[in-house]
Amino acid sequence: SAVISQKPSRDICQRGTSLTIQCQVDSQVTMMFWYRQQPGQSLTLIATANQGSEATYESGFVIDKFPISRPNLTFSTLTVSNMSPEDSSIYLCSVEEVAGRVQNIQYFGAGTRLSVL
Amino acid sequence: LAKTTQPISMDSYEGQEVNITCSHNNIATNDYITWYQQFPSQGPRFIIQGYKTKVTNEVASLFIPADRKSSTLSLPRVSLSDTAVYYCLVGDRNAGNMLTFGGGTRLMVKP
Repeated sequence: SAVISQKPSRDICQRGTSLTIQCQVDSQVTMMFWYRQQPGQSLTLIATANQGSEATYESGFVIDKFPISRPNLTFSTLTVSNMSPEDSSIYLCSVEEVAGRVQNIQYFGAGTRLSVL
Repeated sequence: LAKTTQPISMDSYEGQEVNITCSHNNIATNDYITWYQQFPSQGPRFIIQGYKTKVTNEVASLFIPADRKSSTLSLPRVSLSDTAVYYCLVGDRNAGNMLTFGGGTRLMVKP
């Protein structure tokens, strides 16, 4: 199974600033995903990031607010731009495992806990 | 995409068997059922996946009746460390559909 490292694990940021979250995978993967999880709530998909193409954003999320980079098959970044307190949340990246299964399953990083003051 | 319904929370005691049922009345022919577990301050972790009848692994069993409109995750002899949120997801990733995390079931195991 894939091992995913996220940095930072947590951060406290000022309103109006931006934070870039890094996601590193120990194997090459085609698809990476970024989620947001409010405390005590379920996960909401922000976007899907494929290497070599623009990220695909879900309804309610836009590239100007959450720009994503995917420079290679083991790395991705999510930037939370011009932050407000409403952006306080946990941000998680995940990858899919394909080999040996009928249906793909996802492996998740531990998440980045963001607090915006 | 199939909508899932799970109990919001459940309580159990150490050593008991816990069964968490997920309803998915509009499951499609090619949809699979996948369960994830999430501990506090961690990302979700895959537990088990199935299509029909019964699937068992080292962690849990998954029971799926013939009509597939529901599924039951069974955790044998739970311990305090099984306290977590359990999510049931239904869909067909091979069709390119992203599976949606519903509300999940918050399981509390008491001593």
